[in-house]
Amino acid sequence: NAGVTQTPKFQVLKTGQSMTLQCAQDMNHNSMYWYRQDPGMGLRLIYYSASEGTTDKGEVPNGYNVSRLNKREFSLRLESAAPSQTSVYFCASSERAPDYSNQPQHFGDGTRLSIL
Amino acid sequence: QKEVEQDPGPLSVPEGAIVSLNCTYSNSAFQYFMWYRQYSRKGPELLMYTYSSGNKEDGRFTAQVDKSSKYISLFIRDSQPSDSATYLCAMKTLNSGGSNYKLTFGKGTLLTVNP
Repeated sequence: NAGVTQTPKFQVLKTGQSMTLQCAQDMNHNSMYWYRQDPGMGLRLIYYSASEGTTDKGEVPNGYNVSRLNKREFSLRLESAAPSQTSVYFCASSERAPDYSNQPQHFGDGTRLSIL
Repeated sequence: QKEVEQDPGPLSVPEGAIVSLNCTYSNSAFQYFMWYRQYSRKGPELLMYTYSSGNKEDGRFTAQVDKSSKYISLFIRDSQPSDSATYLCAMKTLNSGGSNYKLTFGKGTLLTVNP
């Protein structure tokens, strides 16, 4: 079972470059999420998509854009990368919209992004 | 005061020990409580989920919630080297009638179980 697949696993960028992180899930989940995880900061939500065709900002959306391409895929784009965006990025999905109570989120294994 | 406080550790215990991991929180709107386990270079995976105050048991793991004290715990009995990971608490409010919600993670506690 693939679950949530993220590509690439590692990437190094120069300041100002752009990049798109890809995420796909094969669990027929409706909702998808992008988080970043930094030492001492924990997991912070960047954007989420409650259902196909909708996206909403999370806690730290500045400098990012997202696209819910279809039910399976949710991409995260950095238009002009900055060193402060060096982080590990996790994509997650859940079966139903996030305002339902008991929806566990299933995570991918992350993309490790370094911006020089 | 941060909404969720979790001692980052690291915590090192011998195999077979009982482990207690804890989080405190300040937002009384949190209603749902979760524990995630994250192995090195992997994504978090859901371990336990609870709603009400009290205990919930699943094998060697017990999750405890005390809403009056705003305190949650995860107990691991007969700890194994395979339990070595970072444990993240997570809490959720429910904003009914809208698509917004809030899931807040603790920073995680790094646990090492030594054989």
